[in-house]
Amino acid sequence: GAVVSQHPSWVICKSGTSVKIECRSLDFQATTMFWYRQFPKQSLMLMATSNEGSKATYEQGVEKDKFLINHASLTLSTLTVTSAHPEDSSFYICSALAALEGNSPLHFGNGTRLTVT
Amino acid sequence: DAKTTQPPSMDCAEGRAANLPCNHSTISGNEYVYWYRQIHSQGPQYIIHGLKNNETNEMASLIITEDRKSSTLILPHASLRDTAVYYCIVRVGTGANNLFFGTGTRLTVIP
Repeated sequence: GAVVSQHPSWVICKSGTSVKIECRSLDFQATTMFWYRQFPKQSLMLMATSNEGSKATYEQGVEKDKFLINHASLTLSTLTVTSAHPEDSSFYICSALAALEGNSPLHFGNGTRLTVT
Repeated sequence: DAKTTQPPSMDCAEGRAANLPCNHSTISGNEYVYWYRQIHSQGPQYIIHGLKNNETNEMASLIITEDRKSSTLILPHASLRDTAVYYCIVRVGTGANNLFFGTGTRLTVIP
C-alpha cells in the first residue's frame, strides 16, 4: 500500500530556533499533502494543505509565517517551524493523497514529536 | 463541525469481535464513511471505507445501514495490538478540509 515517511520522528530544540520536518510519499506521487498538529489527548487538527508547485493553504488561526510549508516535488513536502517556542511543542503529522479520485484514502506519516525547551 | 458521533471508549476481550459504532445522521449522498485508527504516538492508519455497501478487507469489516445514518466497524478477532483510538469520518471529494477528526473511540483490548 501507499507509504508516507516522515522525518525526524522526534526532535528537541531550543526556544528561538527553527525546525524542519520532512514528509515523503515513498511509492506514489502526491499532488496534495496535508499537515496536522495534535496536542496530548486531543484529536488531529488540520493546519494546512500543501499543493505541489503552489502556495500552501492555511487553516484559520494558523500563522503562515511561523509554519512555512514547501511542496517542491510530487513526493516531498516540508514544514518548518520558525522561531519555535515551548507552546509549539506538539505532535506534527503529515498525510498525502495517492490519487485524485474522489474516494482515495489519505495515508499518514508516523508523526514528528517536537519538544521546544 | 463534527459530523460523526462515537462512544468515547470501549473494551473488548482478546480474541473476540470488536464492534465499534458510529452515527452520521447528516451524511450526504456523495459522502463516504472512512475509518482510521491511531495507536499511541503514531500517525493514523487507514482501515477501510465505504459508500453504501458493506465492505471487508484484511483488517476489518464495515457495515453501513441502509439509510446510511450509522455504521459499524468490526474487528473480527481483536488482539492486544488493536488497542487504539478509532476515528469514524465522513468525507466527500479529495480535500482534507472536510476530513475532520472527531474525538474517536478509545478501544482497549483486554487479555
